[in-house]
Amino acid sequence: DIRMTQSPSSLSASVGDRVTITCRASQGIRNYLAWYQQKPGKVPQLLIYAASTLQSGVPSRFSGSGSGTDFTLTISSLQPEDVATYYCQKFNSAPQTFGQGTKVEI
Amino acid sequence: QVQLVQSGAEVKKPGASVKVSCKASGYTFTNNAIIWVRQAPGQGLEWMGWISAYNGNTNYEQKLLGRVTMTTDTSTSTAYMELRSLRSEDTAVYYCARDYGGSHCDYWGQGTLVTVSS
Repeated sequence: DIRMTQSPSSLSASVGDRVTITCRASQGIRNYLAWYQQKPGKVPQLLIYAASTLQSGVPSRFSGSGSGTDFTLTISSLQPEDVATYYCQKFNSAPQTFGQGTKVEI
Repeated sequence: QVQLVQSGAEVKKPGASVKVSCKASGYTFTNNAIIWVRQAPGQGLEWMGWISAYNGNTNYEQKLLGRVTMTTDTSTSTAYMELRSLRSEDTAVYYCARDYGGSHCDYWGQGTLVTVSS
C-alpha cells in the first residue's frame, strides 16, 4: 500500500506568517490528493482537492500544489482561526490513506 | 443542502458488535460512494473503507477484513457500517463522508462515538 507522510508533525507560527505543510506519497498518485482541516472537537472540513483546487467557500489564503509524490499545503498569511490539524488524503486508489496530520498552533 | 446524519453514541463491551448508520439527504444517494473514517482519542484520521451506493461494491482497510461490513439501503438513502468482535482499540469517533467523484470527501457526518469498555 502507498504510505502518506506529512511533515512537520506540528508547527508553531505567528499571525501573518506563511506556513507550508508537506505531504509525500511513497509512490506516485498523480494529482489525486485532498487536504482537510480539523479544528479541535470538530468534523474535518475539505480545503483542497485534486492537489490544487480550492473548495468553494475556503479562504484564498489556502493553496495547494504538487503532483506525483510531493505535495504542499500553504497558508499565505496565518490567522488565529487557522489553528487546527491538517490532513492529506490520497484518492488514486484504495486504500484512501490519510497522512498522520500536522498540528498548527500560534 | 447535502447532509449526512449519523446515529448516536454507543457503549459496547469487548467482543460485541456495533452498527452505525449514516442517513444522506439533499442529493441522489446512488450517485456517490460513502467512505467510513474513524479517529481514536487524540489520534489521526484512519480510513476504514468505501462502499458504492450505486452497486454496493466495497473496499475495506486490510486490517479490518473479517470484522467490518459496509452496506447501503437505497430505499432510505442510508449507509451502515458494522464492526464486530470489538476491542478497546476500536474506541473512536466514526465518521461517514461522501466521496465526490473518487476525488475527495466533500460532506461529512457529525461523527458517532463508539466506546468499547468492560
